[in-house]
Amino acid sequence: DAKTTQPTSMDCAEGRAANLPCNHSTISGNEYVYWYRQIHSQGPQYIIHGLKNNETNEMASLIITEDRKSSTLILPHATLRDTAVYYCIVATQGGSEKLVFGKGTKLTVNP
Amino acid sequence: GAVVSQHPSWVICKSGTSVKIECRSLDFQATTMFWYRQFPKQSLMLMATSNEGSKATYEQGVEKDKFLINHASLTLSTLTVTSAHPEDSSFYICSIYGGRPLSYEQYFGPGTRLTVT
Repeated sequence: DAKTTQPTSMDCAEGRAANLPCNHSTISGNEYVYWYRQIHSQGPQYIIHGLKNNETNEMASLIITEDRKSSTLILPHATLRDTAVYYCIVATQGGSEKLVFGKGTKLTVNP
Repeated sequence: GAVVSQHPSWVICKSGTSVKIECRSLDFQATTMFWYRQFPKQSLMLMATSNEGSKATYEQGVEKDKFLINHASLTLSTLTVTSAHPEDSSFYICSIYGGRPLSYEQYFGPGTRLTVT
């Protein structure tokens, strides 16, 4: 079973920031938080991952709470092409780590 | 990130026949490849993990004799669905991990849609 909890769906206006929450209250000390997204009928796309510090790349920012029990993925300026299912996954790093996909959050960006 | 291709992108076959799906890593030597399947309106479910040169490890409930996986090189893995039936109709997705250059993210292929009639 997935070790994360996400809202089923969210809406966001184009050009605004999209903030996607994720709860992972049972995360272990050696587990990272990964975010992937899946646009309809495509394979998932890696977005970002982090351990305990906030991370930023060209796609998004990841904010992890100090107790590491929750995190937020931020898409700073959402576009229509960001409409997708976003998956928050916790996993260890360095081995042949299996990803357990939950149901994710369906983000719809509206014009 | 790494580029992963799958072939074919979609296939229709008759019940009882076998279908082979290829997963290629175009710019990355993957020590590990994963195979997932996704039924309509459901999330991805891991089927098996394969490491180059060794036998695949299957998840509980996945028949290893029905879903044959070969990971003969660091850039190619194949999934063969043997004696396919309509209930095997699904979206099959591979991913790569590890290897050279070292990567701790999984990179996914575009998927193969299998329809068994």
